Amino acid sequence: DTEVTQTPKHLVMGMTNKKSLKCEQHMGHRAMYWYKQKAKKPPELMFVYSYEKLSINESVPSRFSPECPNSSLLNLHLHALQPEDSALYLCASSQNHLRTGPFAGYTFGSGTRLTVV
Amino acid sequence: SQQGEEDPQALSIQEGENATMNCSYKTSINNLQWYRQNSGRGLVHLILIRSNEREKHSGRLRVTLDTSKKSSSLLITASRAADTASYFCATTGGAQKLVFGQGTRLTINP
Repeated sequence: DTEVTQTPKHLVMGMTNKKSLKCEQHMGHRAMYWYKQKAKKPPELMFVYSYEKLSINESVPSRFSPECPNSSLLNLHLHALQPEDSALYLCASSQNHLRTGPFAGYTFGSGTRLTVV
Repeated sequence: SQQGEEDPQALSIQEGENATMNCSYKTSINNLQWYRQNSGRGLVHLILIRSNEREKHSGRLRVTLDTSKKSSSLLITASRAADTASYFCATTGGAQKLVFGQGTRLTINP
């Protein structure tokens, strides 16, 4: 299995809703990432998990709450979002977080397109 | 701010021609990577070049890296309609995070 699977593919939520984005990989990768991408812009890093521990938080608002239950799963819990949070949310994984050994690049999921109304 | 800047922002060529995209970055890097993105979906890793390498090939792709100029180029030879996509360079450096350039939107006309 060489894929990162993200669910759901599309999500529409109101500003008072609570929802979660899910990401799963079975490649044995020990680093997982959340990126946010607005239309016609590059992906922007939100969070990095390395060996199931949060190692980087790019000053993301607390209405976004990441969780890494185990080495294969990564969640992003959403609460009280704003319309400007509408974007494509991408999950990625890599063998390790830039530690020793070969670094073969990131594997990205297809993303969740989130619309906040 | 983003690490890499790419040019051109958009490129339109005929099928069969070669496409060249350039990327410049600001700080020291461990490696530079190129990714492709179709229609706003997931990114696909194309090729990685380490800071001590100057050129790398993979199929129809050729990547060069000039660390003295802090720049890289991606050449796609014999382009095909399926190559139509956005292409991003991305760098990793001391901050230990992958940072993307602004991207080039490539259109291959049949």
